[in-house]
Amino acid sequence: NAGVTQTPKFRVLKTGQSMTLLCAQDMNHEYMYWYRQDPGMGLRLIHYSVGEGTTAKGEVPDGYNVSRLKKQNFLLGLESAAPSQTSVYFCASSRQGSNQPQHFGDGTRLSIL
Amino acid sequence: SQKIEQNSEALNIQEGKTATLTCNYTNYSPAYLQWYRQDPGRGPVFLLLIRENEKEKRKERLKVTFDTTLKQSLFHITASQPADSATYLCAQYSSASKIIFGSGTRLSIRP
Repeated sequence: NAGVTQTPKFRVLKTGQSMTLLCAQDMNHEYMYWYRQDPGMGLRLIHYSVGEGTTAKGEVPDGYNVSRLKKQNFLLGLESAAPSQTSVYFCASSRQGSNQPQHFGDGTRLSIL
Repeated sequence: SQKIEQNSEALNIQEGKTATLTCNYTNYSPAYLQWYRQDPGRGPVFLLLIRENEKEKRKERLKVTFDTTLKQSLFHITASQPADSATYLCAQYSSASKIIFGSGTRLSIRP
């Protein structure tokens, strides 16, 4: 099993461009998450989903949109990229329940020039 | 709002010694605390979960304690090895579906 796969692994964008980050999991998990990780800030939740067709805002949702059309996929979109969105983006998935461990992908390193 | 804090940004210890990392939480008493390991360029990997009614949990050379009076969890690595060098994150669920992570402690084990 691949677990959680993120594509692309690296990307450089110009300010104002848009792009979509893809997350796929093969563990049949209900919950999926998008985080960003910045130096000294830890992991911050952008958006999450508790099931196919549902999404919700996390701690830092502005400038991002998400969709979960299929249970195994969770897409993160940047509508108009800004330098402040330069970060490492992690996707995670978990089973339903408040004691479940999260399974992470290896991240997408995004630079906005 | 709920906060979870890891006191040390970095910890350097000699190989063979016990590493102890601290995680403090405020404004909420979590039913569970989780610990993750993150290597450079990789995503976090789950290590251990401890429940509030468990004082201590062990897995091989790892030991986690949970003190609800002090609102603190301690993470110990005994007989530390250079391969244990990584960033360690603690985490708690803030709701049934959302988890809050600490900013992590970067552990370096020198030979």
